[in-house]
Amino acid sequence: EIVLTQSPGTLSLSPGERATLSCRASQTVSSRYLAWYQQRPGQAPRLLIYGASSRATGIPDRFSGSGSGTDFTLTISRLEPEDFAVYYCQQYGRSPTFGGGAKVEIK
Amino acid sequence: QVQLQESGPGLVKPSGTLSLTCGVSGDSIINNDWWSWVRQPPGKGLEWIGEIFHTGSTNYNPSLKSRVTISVDKSKNQFSLRLNSLTAADTAVYYCATTGGLAALNYWGQGTLVTVSS
Repeated sequence: EIVLTQSPGTLSLSPGERATLSCRASQTVSSRYLAWYQQRPGQAPRLLIYGASSRATGIPDRFSGSGSGTDFTLTISRLEPEDFAVYYCQQYGRSPTFGGGAKVEIK
Repeated sequence: QVQLQESGPGLVKPSGTLSLTCGVSGDSIINNDWWSWVRQPPGKGLEWIGEIFHTGSTNYNPSLKSRVTISVDKSKNQFSLRLNSLTAADTAVYYCATTGGLAALNYWGQGTLVTVSS
């Protein structure tokens, strides 16, 4: 099983600031199979990024993904009020797994 | 636009079996997509349970494989989850989801809370 470790667990930032979230895999993940999701309280997860760097339909360009191999990053260039949420990375290989999640909270 | 809707009992007894159905609209279940189940215990993270292709081919989370069955009903355009030998640790919001042609879960149901309790 591929274990995904997200850091930091909680990020305290102000609106307008930049958020950088990390996802580290226990073994190499094909970039094609690395995704990021956003989950707001009481809602289902929403796909933000697939293929490590491609934005899903309707996702604003302030969200970007990068990385390869075992290290991947989700960047939110300027936080909007609706971006304060929990973010999950996922590897969608043979036996998909999710990271433990990272909360972006208002400072 | 694909829409998914989970349905099933909200309360099941320990040692019993959880049965949920995901109704699909806006797409045909025989399209080249994988149809998945994901769960989330209260206050915790996401756990992938398994997936099915319309041919009946399945992949399951190794940690749940002995207790899980996912099936598809093409005539009703829906797929289902069965999880047996339930304990309180299986209490969670259960989501159905699908890839929509991507290597990621692009469409999600709203989720349904299943509580395991006597």
